Amino acid sequence: RKEVEQDPGPFNVPEGATVAFNCTYSNSASQSFFWYRQDCRKEPKLLMSVYSSGNEDGRFTAQLNRASQYISLLIRDSKLSDSATYLCVAPSHLFFGTGTRLTVIP
Amino acid sequence: GAVVSQHPSWVICKSGTSVKIECRSLDFQATTMFWYRQFPKQSLMLMATSNEGSKATYEQGVEKDKFLINHASLTLSTLTVTSAHPEDSSFYICSAPDGTTQETQYFGPGTRLLVL
Repeated sequence: RKEVEQDPGPFNVPEGATVAFNCTYSNSASQSFFWYRQDCRKEPKLLMSVYSSGNEDGRFTAQLNRASQYISLLIRDSKLSDSATYLCVAPSHLFFGTGTRLTVIP
Repeated sequence: GAVVSQHPSWVICKSGTSVKIECRSLDFQATTMFWYRQFPKQSLMLMATSNEGSKATYEQGVEKDKFLINHASLTLSTLTVTSAHPEDSSFYICSAPDGTTQETQYFGPGTRLLVL
């Protein structure tokens, strides 16, 4: 089993929609998780850190569910500029998920 | 914020040649840097951890004699792909952790390698 698994999508949503991605992890000892955003042919950029208490930044909310071993990313009021691939990472940036492709449609 | 640069941004070479990729932390020191490889539509795969002043640590399945890593200073790590073959064509990205917390990673812009 892979350390981190994501639904590759693609997720095609209309502008203004709310969309959520999940990412499961296999190592129950993992402490820190991250969501990165990667635009086509670019390097990943940190979007949010995810700790036990969750994290919210504007339209983005990240949650950690230790019991079920997954992290989630919720994007509210989707913008066209949110179109990208979202990568989850655990632990300590050693293992990246394959990424979930999001396309926000006008 | 912290910046990591990579050079070159893209390279095309003939099969059998060696290619050197540089990764620099521009405004902070990094005793550790990470090298990743990403094939199309796949995740970033950690290749090795570059350690300043000591040997790099390679992930399972990564040939250390093929992918030579040298962490020459606190701001520079190099990855040399020796005797490159078409299957080595990929997107190579380096990263360096935040000097304070070690948790935030700053990624370089990546190097696209195409081996003909």
